[in-house]
Amino acid sequence: RKEVEQDPGPFNVPEGATVAFNCTYSNSASQSFFWYRQDCRKEPKLLMSVYSSGNEDGRFTAQLNRASQYISLLIRDSKLSDSATYLCVVNGAGANNLFFGTGTRLTVIP
Amino acid sequence: DAGITQSPRHKVTETGTPVTLRCHQTENHRYMYWYRQDPGHGLRLIHYSYGVKDTDKGEVSDGYSVSRSKTEDFLLTLESATSSQTSVYFCAISEGQGHYGYTFGSGTRLTVV
Repeated sequence: RKEVEQDPGPFNVPEGATVAFNCTYSNSASQSFFWYRQDCRKEPKLLMSVYSSGNEDGRFTAQLNRASQYISLLIRDSKLSDSATYLCVVNGAGANNLFFGTGTRLTVIP
Repeated sequence: DAGITQSPRHKVTETGTPVTLRCHQTENHRYMYWYRQDPGHGLRLIHYSYGVKDTDKGEVSDGYSVSRSKTEDFLLTLESATSSQTSVYFCAISEGQGHYGYTFGSGTRLTVV
């Protein structure tokens, strides 16, 4: 079983729409959670950390549900510039590294 | 942006030849990582380092070796390149474990023919 699983999409949404991505993780002892953004042919970049209480950064809201072992990312008022692949990232308990999902591709359409 | 650079950016090599990729950081971070990214698999850890001369294997370490003789440099060597090692290789750095995110280099696109 993969450490992290995401719906690969693609999600095609119009500008201004709200879109949500979910991700599940397999290790119930995981403690650190992140969302990364990756543009085509570029390196992944940290979008935001995910805290137990949920957190918001402008149009982006991340939430963690430990009981169900899933993480979500909500993007409000989508912009063309939000078009990218979003990677769900989790640390493996006892592991010295992060595990990356395969990513969910988002395209925002004018 | 964080000071992390990878070289070369692109490389084409022949099957059976050794190849070394370099990752250089100016952030003095203790942890460094090598990942490969392939369609359908996402990013997979090859090797990582938690200090000078301290390295450990990741989930896809077969056919790869690493060295870290200085804090700032982490080298990845493909001992005898195979076509299955055609991939995009990313180096990442981190201040610590667990709650710290990673900063990635721009990647090396390697093609083995």
